[in-house]
This record gives sequence, structure tokens and C-alpha cells, in this order.
Amino acid sequence: GAVVSQHPSRVICKSGTSVKIECRSLDFQATTMFWYRQFPKQSLMLMATSNEGSKATYEQGVEKDKFLINHASLTLSTLTVTSAHPEDSSFYICSATPLSGGAWETQYFGPGTRLLVL
Amino acid sequence: AQRVTQPEKLLSVFKGAPVELKCNYSYSGSPELFWYVQYSRQRLQLLLRHISRESIKGFTADLNKGETSFHLKKPFAQEEDSAMYYCALSGRKSEKLVFGKGTKLTVNP
Repeated sequence: GAVVSQHPSRVICKSGTSVKIECRSLDFQATTMFWYRQFPKQSLMLMATSNEGSKATYEQGVEKDKFLINHASLTLSTLTVTSAHPEDSSFYICSATPLSGGAWETQYFGPGTRLLVL
Repeated sequence: AQRVTQPEKLLSVFKGAPVELKCNYSYSGSPELFWYVQYSRQRLQLLLRHISRESIKGFTADLNKGETSFHLKKPFAQEEDSAMYYCALSGRKSEKLVFGKGTKLTVNP
């Protein structure tokens, strides 16, 4: 159980176009989904926290208008990279926290999406 | 400020040797500590968490509040343990994880 999927797994796009990445919790409902960015050989950097039905909370330095997050349901969150530029090329990873009455729920991670902007 | 420090970027041991991956944290309060592992070309997955006090794949980690550490240990390393290991902390339910920079463990035959 507790599987998180991402689509697409990799995408190549031209500079100036927008790219949408989907994150789905397949067998559980997620209170919260998180979006991370991982540069080669570096750690995960949290970009934003997404709660269903409310606006995402962005980390300092992350442009809200550049990285649009929509959390439409308890099983789906999308990240749209608008007007992508080569510097946006990266590995984007989402995670989801199950709905539960317990404290400190585990985050389950998606496989990541490799974005290359030409 | 919340911070997780993994002082070793790379760690190399021989098969059968003990291994310890260091993790220190800074947090004003009572955090929950985690170790995540990322095998080659696989997604990040939870290895163990402080609150459950489990031993997974022979790994254990003890929270030392005095030293603000959560080092990961295994008495006898196996080749299949080679991976990236990330220490992380969280403040409360559904709060964001703060990751360390990771340690790449290589277990040589």
C-alpha cells in the first residue's frame, strides 16, 4: 500500500512553454502533498506544501507564479512550471501524507519527474 | 531554525564491517526523526523513524537528545546497502520534512 505515482516520468520542452506534472496517491487519501526539487547529487529541496482545497504554502525563494500548484482532490496534486527556462531543468519529486488520526505520519514519495528545458 | 546536518557526503566500507551514518539536528521542540534511503534509480523510501523504534534491514538509530543526534547504524554492512541515505526531521503531523544533504554509502565486496 501507500503508493504515490507521478506523471510524466520525464519531459522535454522548449523554453517558454508550460509543463504540468501530476502527483497521485493511488491507494490512499492524502491530507497533504509536498513538492520537492532535487538537483544532481544534492538533497531534496522543499518547494511547497499543498493541502486539498486550499492555497499551497511556498517556501522562501520559490516563485508562486512560476510554480503553480493545484490540489484538486485528496488523491491528486499538480505542479505546473510556467514559462519554463533551462534553469528550471531538474528532478521534481512529490510526496503525500495519508489521512490518519496519528501523529507524525510518514511521507510517501513518488518516483520523480525529470524535466529538461531546451 | 530547523536544520539537519549529515557531515559525511561519502562513506565507504567493506562488506561485513560496521557502518555508522551520522546525523545531527537543530530544532526548538520535540522533532520526529527519520532516515530515508534512495537506492540507485529508485524512489526515496522510508527506512526507519524514531517514533516506531523499529529495526529495518538490520539498521537501527537512536535519538540522543543531549547530543541532538540520530545516527544510523548497522553492525554488518551488506553490498545491497549501497545507496544514498537522508536524515530528516519533522515537527508534527503533516509538517514538512527538513532533509540533510545525504550520505552516499558504498559497501565494497
